[in-house]
Amino acid sequence: EVQLVESGGGLVQPGGSLRLSCAASGFTFSSYEMNWVRQAPGKGLEWVSYISSSGSTIYYADSVKGRFTISRDNAKNSLYLQMNSLRAEDTAVYYCARDGIAVARYYFDYWGQGTLVTVSS
Amino acid sequence: QSVLTQPPSVSGAPGQRVTISCTGSSSNIGAGYDVHWYQQLPGTAPKLLIYGNSNRPSGVPDRFSGSKSGTSASLAITGLQAEDEADYYCQSYDSSLSGRRVFGGGTKLTVL
Repeated sequence: EVQLVESGGGLVQPGGSLRLSCAASGFTFSSYEMNWVRQAPGKGLEWVSYISSSGSTIYYADSVKGRFTISRDNAKNSLYLQMNSLRAEDTAVYYCARDGIAVARYYFDYWGQGTLVTVSS
Repeated sequence: QSVLTQPPSVSGAPGQRVTISCTGSSSNIGAGYDVHWYQQLPGTAPKLLIYGNSNRPSGVPDRFSGSKSGTSASLAITGLQAEDEADYYCQSYDSSLSGRRVFGGGTKLTVL
């Protein structure tokens, strides 16, 4: 069974940093592209960042570019999101999501349960 | 402002059919990129509902169907049930954006 479990969320002051982790199990992690998607309270979904299976290709949403860094450790079956210079508007539930590979591309076939990041003084 | 446009809300009575539209542009849906749909029940993570415009993952009832034409796509739900009350999001790929993966703003489905 595919499982994605996020951790590392919490309360942080504006300008602070936080590192999110996503532990993957139930599939060959090193074969899949991964993403972070967030959802502000009461709002819709916003794609945040993408990383290829090897980690060689990375993309970011304009809203986080230069502040967030996505990475992965295939030996540890883990995905990370380093978040620096946090702002109030970064407050959201952050989901780890796997890229699907069946028939189509660029979709998310499995999601974690999410971890809440609150940026407030 | 989302790249893909969805109606904020739709509603229907049990047993009825409802559709949710998703309108894009020539750099995403109109460019031939697939549309995918997610269901988010209250307080839970999103779940893949339709991928590649019209494909259902294992376990998704055939009451849910998707279609795409031109710069738009639609999600249809037939035989509406109380448990279908949720938020629904469309998603695609946009060649003009650095990140390229884009969502619609979401549609709240209310079962009357």
